[in-house]
Amino acid sequence: EVQLVQSGGELKKPGESLKISCEGSGYSFTNYWIAWVRQMPGKGLELMGIIYPGDSDTRYSPSFQGQVTISVDRSIRTAYVEWSSLKASDTAIYYCARKASSHYGLDVWGQGTTVTVS
Amino acid sequence: QSALTQPASVSGSPGQSITISCTGTSIDVGLFDYVSWYQQVPGKSPKLIIYDVNNRPSGVSNRFSGSKSGNTASLTISGLQSEDEAEYYCSSYINSNTLFVVFGGGTKLTVL
Repeated sequence: EVQLVQSGGELKKPGESLKISCEGSGYSFTNYWIAWVRQMPGKGLELMGIIYPGDSDTRYSPSFQGQVTISVDRSIRTAYVEWSSLKASDTAIYYCARKASSHYGLDVWGQGTTVTVS
Repeated sequence: QSALTQPASVSGSPGQSITISCTGTSIDVGLFDYVSWYQQVPGKSPKLIIYDVNNRPSGVSNRFSGSKSGNTASLTISGLQSEDEAEYYCSSYINSNTLFVVFGGGTKLTVL
């Protein structure tokens, strides 16, 4: 079964650092782009950035450039998004999703990681 | 990049058809046939239901269909069922070196 499994929810304080993860299985992890998507409470979806595990090519949405770091560890089939200093406004659900190989849709989604900064 | 524009809410009765619009610009929806639609049931992850304007992934009901005219894409759901009640998001590829897609603001579908 193709799936993305994300790390568990986090409760952090402002100023703390955080790294959440997304492990892929059931497919060739290095051959598909992974996107990170933010959903703030009661709000819509926002693309934060994307990474290609095959060569770590990473692209950020202008709104998130410099605010987060997206990375990947191919050896354990895991993508990450990291904050060095969290703010209350980072409170959200964060999803990872796989970009399909033949089109621009995101065809497989993780279960989401809830990050609460308070 | 600005989000695509969707109506905040739509509603319909069981068995009816509804259409959700998604308006972009000439550099996203109008330029590429790469519009996708996602269904998000409360408390769940989004699910891809339409890609490349009018294609359904395997397993998605044929009650869902997509189309596009100019800068506006549309999602039509026919034969509404109570289980269709959810938030629906469109997205489009944009011609950018930094970002693949932009999302719409979402439309809440209520089945009366």
